[in-house]
Amino acid sequence: DTGVSQNPRHKITKRGQNVTFRCDPISEHNRLYWYRQTLGQGPEFLTYFQNEAQLEKSRLLSDRFSAERPKGSFSTLEIQRTEQGDSAMYLCASSLVRTDTQYFGPGTRLTVL
Amino acid sequence: AQTVTQSQPEMSVQEAETVTLSCTYDTSESDYYLFWYKQPPSRQMILVIRQEAYKQQNATENRFSVNFQKAAKSFSLKISDSQLGDAAMYFCAPPWRANSKLTFGKGITLSVRP
Repeated sequence: DTGVSQNPRHKITKRGQNVTFRCDPISEHNRLYWYRQTLGQGPEFLTYFQNEAQLEKSRLLSDRFSAERPKGSFSTLEIQRTEQGDSAMYLCASSLVRTDTQYFGPGTRLTVL
Repeated sequence: AQTVTQSQPEMSVQEAETVTLSCTYDTSESDYYLFWYKQPPSRQMILVIRQEAYKQQNATENRFSVNFQKAAKSFSLKISDSQLGDAAMYFCAPPWRANSKLTFGKGITLSVRP
């Protein structure tokens, strides 16, 4: 199995711009999670999907954030009108429901200037 | 609300020695899982070990083992024969129930002295 992949690995943007990140889970993993991690902290949950259904969203996920998983495979996370406080590492993880173990991708590091 | 506490922000161990990283948590769930993840500097999160709360036997994975005390809500990670490559940030992460989000502690930065 190839692991979870995320693109881009790094993104630098100006405040107010929109950005989109992509996550490709491990093949056949039906659960996909997004987390956000700031420097020196543990990851914080944002949202997760089972197949194409978005089952839970954190209160951290403001209206400027939207996530999709249209065909139950890859997922995208979009941030509109970025703010400096959005600067963080965005992590994606996937799992099989029957094994319940989440495997993480390398993350996308977002810097908002 | 479920909480996770990793009270030791930094630890150091001599190469080849043993070190124990502590984690305590609070939950009202009875059936859950617990994980330790490792995050080397600027590298991705790697699963170290997993423990099912219903199992009394502590999980072991090569040099890594856990001491799971369900009644005390304690889940510590023991690293034996520490290696330079073990230097990383270690996160305790219970998902509280099957197939749910992980709740991470603040992490412990482990350094290994040659």
